[in-house]
Amino acid sequence: ILNVEQSPQSLHVQEGDSTNFTCSFPSSNFYALHWYRWETAKSPEALFVMTLNGDEKKKGRISATLNTKEGYSYLYIKGSQPEDSATYLCALHTGGFKTIFGAGTRLFVKA
Amino acid sequence: DAGVIQSPRHEVTEMGQEVTLRCKPISGHDYLFWYRQTMMRGLELLIYFNNNVPIDDSGMPEDRFSAKMPNASFSTLKIQPSEPRDSAVYFCASGPSLHTGELFFGEGSRLTVL
Repeated sequence: ILNVEQSPQSLHVQEGDSTNFTCSFPSSNFYALHWYRWETAKSPEALFVMTLNGDEKKKGRISATLNTKEGYSYLYIKGSQPEDSATYLCALHTGGFKTIFGAGTRLFVKA
Repeated sequence: DAGVIQSPRHEVTEMGQEVTLRCKPISGHDYLFWYRQTMMRGLELLIYFNNNVPIDDSGMPEDRFSAKMPNASFSTLKIQPSEPRDSAVYFCASGPSLHTGELFFGEGSRLTVL
């Protein structure tokens, strides 16, 4: 059974803090790694799609890195804002469109 | 494009009743997925279709669940008979025929079975 692990489960930070969280996955089944941002009462929205070892992607204050050999990805948020509060989902795409989601990291940013 | 459209957004029903959830994928996407989200298990893949053909239904919990995709612009997920443990948010997602596997989600259908 393929398992995608995310840590921490939840995180409380102050506005302006920088933060990061981890996604780990079995490196033997790697095809692509996705990060999604999921706000309460909305649907998950894709942040990054990462396919190559060493990939680094950035979108504004949010960035992500990928290590496929050791099976992990980090998501960083610089200078957190209250509007960053959401659940951040990591998903392993194993090919054949089989996508396995982690349980997510729930981020709370306090003003 | 309006994105993935799901209906109903909320449904409350009694145990034993039939429930039908509907999904319209993004036009041009070849893949359609049904996920279930619960507190205990997170996002679980129930079934997915490619070009209207079911490819993997190994996540469908039991025979009470069935899904169809009669054409490229419509899919249904049916539960008959429904049980209280089926209460969850059911998401439909579609994806283009690209190798990266990015998914585009609908807003979900929240089902409560009393």
